[in-house]
Amino acid sequence: SQKIEQNSEALNIQEGKTATLTCNYTNYSPAYLQWYRQDPGRGPVFLLLIRENEKEKRKERLKVTFDTTLKQSLFHITASQPADSATYLCALESNTGKLIFGQGTTLQVKP
Amino acid sequence: DAGITQSPRHKVTETGTPVTLRCHQTENHRYMYWYRQDPGHGLRLIHYSYGVKDTDKGEVSDGYSVSRSKTEDFLLTLESATSSQTSVYFCAISASGLGDEKLFFGSGTQLSVL
Repeated sequence: SQKIEQNSEALNIQEGKTATLTCNYTNYSPAYLQWYRQDPGRGPVFLLLIRENEKEKRKERLKVTFDTTLKQSLFHITASQPADSATYLCALESNTGKLIFGQGTTLQVKP
Repeated sequence: DAGITQSPRHKVTETGTPVTLRCHQTENHRYMYWYRQDPGHGLRLIHYSYGVKDTDKGEVSDGYSVSRSKTEDFLLTLESATSSQTSVYFCAISASGLGDEKLFFGSGTQLSVL
C-alpha cells in the first residue's frame, strides 16, 4: 500500500542553523510533492510544491529537493529562527489523485 | 484561513448521538474536503466534494456522511458518534482538485466523543 514516512521524533536545533526534514514514500510514483506548515491549534498552510522533473525548489529561506530514485524529499530551512518552530507536513498525490499526508515532523528552534 | 470557517470549533458529545460539522467558504472553490487528524496517523481524507451534490469517499469514510447543497457549504455528519471518532477535523478547499494544486485549510474542529 502507499505509505509516507516522516520522522515522528521532534527535531531540535539552535537558532541560525539549517533544519533538514525528511519525507520518504513507498509504493508511489507521485508527479508532485507538497510541503505544509502547521502551528498548534491551526490548520496546515501551504509552503512549497515540487514536481517530479524538478530536482530542487527554493522560496526565501526554504529549499525542497525531490529524488524520485530514492523516493525521498528533503525540506531545508536555512538560518532558522524560533518563529520557524512548527510541525511540517509533506503530502503526495495518491493514485486516486487526492493528496495523502505524512504524519509531520515537529521542529523546535531554540534561541 | 483563506475564507474558510469551520463550526463549531469545539464540541463534546456522547456516544451514539448524531453530530454535524459545518464548513463554509467564501472563495467560490469547486472542491471541498474533510480530513481528520490523529496522533500517529496524520491527516486522513474522509470525504470530498467536486461540486454541488457531487461527493465521493476518501480513505476513512466509514461512519461519516457528507452533503453539499450550496457551493459554499460542506457538511460532515456522524450519524451515531463513537469514541473512535474523537479527533480534530479539518475542512480544506481547492479550485481544481488537481494534484499540483495547493489546499487551503480551515482552523479545525476539536470533537470529543465520550
